[in-house]
Amino acid sequence: GQNIDQPTEMTATEGAIVQINCTYQTSGFNGLFWYQQHAGEAPTFLSYNVLDGLEEKGRFSSFLSRSKGYSYLLLKELQMKDSASYLCAVRDQAGANNLFFGTGTRLTVIP
Amino acid sequence: EPEVTQTPSHQVTQMGQEVILRCVPISNHLYFYWYRQILGQKVEFLVSFYNNEISEKSEIFDDQFSVERPDGSNFTLKIRSTKLEDSAMYFCASSEGQLSYNEQFFGPGTRLTVL
Repeated sequence: GQNIDQPTEMTATEGAIVQINCTYQTSGFNGLFWYQQHAGEAPTFLSYNVLDGLEEKGRFSSFLSRSKGYSYLLLKELQMKDSASYLCAVRDQAGANNLFFGTGTRLTVIP
Repeated sequence: EPEVTQTPSHQVTQMGQEVILRCVPISNHLYFYWYRQILGQKVEFLVSFYNNEISEKSEIFDDQFSVERPDGSNFTLKIRSTKLEDSAMYFCASSEGQLSYNEQFFGPGTRLTVL
């Protein structure tokens, strides 16, 4: 089966940096996605990794280590609007379209 | 900016009734998906659709579920006889292709409540 683990909740201060970790055990691997989901809304795409290393996109960066089955999402210069759930999702095989999601990490940004 | 749209935003139905959830994917996208999210739980894959047929489906997508692209724009999910445990947010998504980097764009969701 597919297993994707994330911390359930995190709290961080406005202006700070926060790292949200994700570990996965899947039968195959063909890409890892991070989505942001505000309460009651749809997930929105943040980042994609398929090769090892860091992908930077403005205030957001995502890192992948395929050998360790590990990724993290780094959020810099936190803003209040960053309070949301952050979903780690894995596509487990080439040609497969579906994503396997973790339970998400609910981030609360405090002043 | 193009977006995936879904109707209705909220559907309330009685157990055993049929419901149809509607989606309009982004116009140049070729792959369509349905996911569901039970309140407080993770997003779960239901089915993917390409070239007018199902390309993959999960164990959740049993005989009570069906999908259809009745015209060039709509993509529907039908639940034939709803159960209490079908209460969830249902998200439609679409992607341009099936390459690994093709992100899936999600619609705003339909909240289904089965009484």
